[in-house]
Amino acid sequence: DAMVIQNPRYQVTQFGKPVTLSCSQTLNHNVMYWYQQKSSQAPKLLFHYYDKDFNNEADTPDNFQSRRPNTSFCFLDIRSPGLGDAAMYLCATGTGEREQYFGPGTRLTVT
Amino acid sequence: GENVEQHPSTLSVQEGDSAVIKCTYSDSASNYFPWYKQELGKRPQLIIDIRSNVGEKKDQRIAVTLNKTAKHFSLHITETQPEDSAVYFCAGTGNYKLTFGKGTLLTVNP
Repeated sequence: DAMVIQNPRYQVTQFGKPVTLSCSQTLNHNVMYWYQQKSSQAPKLLFHYYDKDFNNEADTPDNFQSRRPNTSFCFLDIRSPGLGDAAMYLCATGTGEREQYFGPGTRLTVT
Repeated sequence: GENVEQHPSTLSVQEGDSAVIKCTYSDSASNYFPWYKQELGKRPQLIIDIRSNVGEKKDQRIAVTLNKTAKHFSLHITETQPEDSAVYFCAGTGNYKLTFGKGTLLTVNP
């Protein structure tokens, strides 16, 4: 079941200290997505890559960046985490035409 | 962009009863409508989906119906069981992206 892998599963960082979350996939999908999900809310799309093309959502803060060095890996960088960035971060992959496959998520705590 | 409305936000049923969750969407170009189930602390998992050229799809106790004219689609769960308790999200699609509804917390009481 480990088709979309996220590391770490739990991350604690200090206020303002940069943090990087990683996602890898074995599905060879060309689209990779990053979502932020806060308690009792729907996943909120931050950005996605279609192959190497980066697509940022209009309301994604500049504090969030992403890198996709190859088909298999995608990273989420939070440059200066604030208390409001504490959330579950979900990576997903897809072909763009049908379902998305979600990773198990990284629970980020900001102290 | 796409806007998806989902109702109700909470639903409580007795074991064995049916549950229905409804969604409306705004973008007539949306052509794929998945339903995800998310248990507490876990990832969303696809339970059923439907494409816009189909009006209904069924998988055991779960069915989805789509009315393209009215731009709404519904999830039907029959013979509910306690393990069906979870948050359910509908979604619309466009430009390779999913737009989620706000979710329905389904509680199945034994």
